[in-house]
Amino acid sequence: EVQLVESGGVVVQPGGSLRLSCAASGFTFDDYAMHWVRQAPGKGLEWVSLISWDGGSTYYADSVKGRFTISRDNSKNSLYLQMNSLRAEDTALYYCAKDITGIPTYYFDYWGQGTLVTVSS
Amino acid sequence: QSALTQPASVSGSPGQSITISCTGTSSDVGGYNYVSWYQQHPGKAPKLMIYDVSNRPSGVSNRFSGSKSGNTASLTISGLQAEDEADYYCSSYTSSSTPYVFGTGTKVTVL
Repeated sequence: EVQLVESGGVVVQPGGSLRLSCAASGFTFDDYAMHWVRQAPGKGLEWVSLISWDGGSTYYADSVKGRFTISRDNSKNSLYLQMNSLRAEDTALYYCAKDITGIPTYYFDYWGQGTLVTVSS
Repeated sequence: QSALTQPASVSGSPGQSITISCTGTSSDVGGYNYVSWYQQHPGKAPKLMIYDVSNRPSGVSNRFSGSKSGNTASLTISGLQAEDEADYYCSSYTSSSTPYVFGTGTKVTVL
């Protein structure tokens, strides 16, 4: 059974930093591209970032470019999102999502349950 | 990159068919056949319902179908059931600096 379990979400002050993690199991992690998608409370979905199967390619939404960094450790079946210079508008539930292939298709067939990041003073 | 435009809500009676529209531009929906649809029940993670405009993943009911005309994609749910009540989001690859965008979301209510 495919499982994606996010962690690391907390309350953080504006300008602060945070690192989210996603532990994957039930599939061959290094065969697939992975994504982060977020959802502000009561709002819609927003794609945040993706990383290719080998970590060689990364892409970001304009809203987080230069502040967030996606990475993965295939030896640990884990995905990460380093979030710096956090703003109030980054407050959201952050989902880890699995692409359907190793080359990014932007189709997500499995999602975690999300980890909540709250940026507030 | 702005979100794709969807109606805020659509409703229908059990057994009826409903269609949700998703309007973008020639830089996203109209320019690529990389449109997908997700269903999200309250408090749950989204579920992939349609990809590549009209393909259904294994396990998704054939009551769900997708199509596209110009800059507008559509999701049709036929034989509406109570369990279909949820939020639905379209999404598309884009040629902008943000390579992927979701729609604004549509709340489907089964009357």
